[in-house]
Amino acid sequence: EPEVTQTPSHQVTQMGQEVILRCVPISNHLYFYWYRQILGQKVEFLVSFYNNEISEKSEIFDDQFSVERPDGSNFTLKIRSTKLEDSAMYFCASSEAGGVYNSPLHFGNGTRLTVT
Amino acid sequence: GQQVMQIPQYQHVQEGEDFTTYCNSSTTLSNIQWYKQRPGGHPVFLIQLVKSGEVKKQKRLTFQFGEAKKNSSLHITATQTTDVGTYFCAGRRAGNNRKLIWGLGTSLAVNP
Repeated sequence: EPEVTQTPSHQVTQMGQEVILRCVPISNHLYFYWYRQILGQKVEFLVSFYNNEISEKSEIFDDQFSVERPDGSNFTLKIRSTKLEDSAMYFCASSEAGGVYNSPLHFGNGTRLTVT
Repeated sequence: GQQVMQIPQYQHVQEGEDFTTYCNSSTTLSNIQWYKQRPGGHPVFLIQLVKSGEVKKQKRLTFQFGEAKKNSSLHITATQTTDVGTYFCAGRRAGNNRKLIWGLGTSLAVNP
């Protein structure tokens, strides 16, 4: 069964550094998402992406965050200047375009970001 | 802003007991999805409910969508240790069909 893949599984970075989290969505999916989850807490929506542009973003997704689809397969989340509070599990997800309003999200295994 | 409240936050049961988690929205939803996240894992889609009053079953799991499309429940009959995890509901507001509003989740622990 096709799946969303994320790399790396764990990223440790120093405060103030830039990080790029990578995702390969399911190939026939056209909607992409980033979520984050601080340990043991709720799943927080960051951003959705469709047709090479952001379709929606949350208040968490401020100027230090950006997303990009640099080629036909990858979908990246960049955090420009990491803060301690950015430490979390970051999940990428994708969904089909057809019937998008009713499409389930398929999540990757996540990247655990630790900012020291 | 719109909220989706989920209760209880935690539930501890003996294996074989039943379990229910409830999801309540402040506004009418167009649909609601349920996900399960095993400890250390990622959310996995379980089911979607769209119609008012809809009831769907998956083996020991029963999902309901309220008549007013503002609440939903997940009931597990005769829990097993494999049911351990956090169950999230996520609803799409009627008229705004892209962003899912997630509940905080109910963490289920099952004593063997």
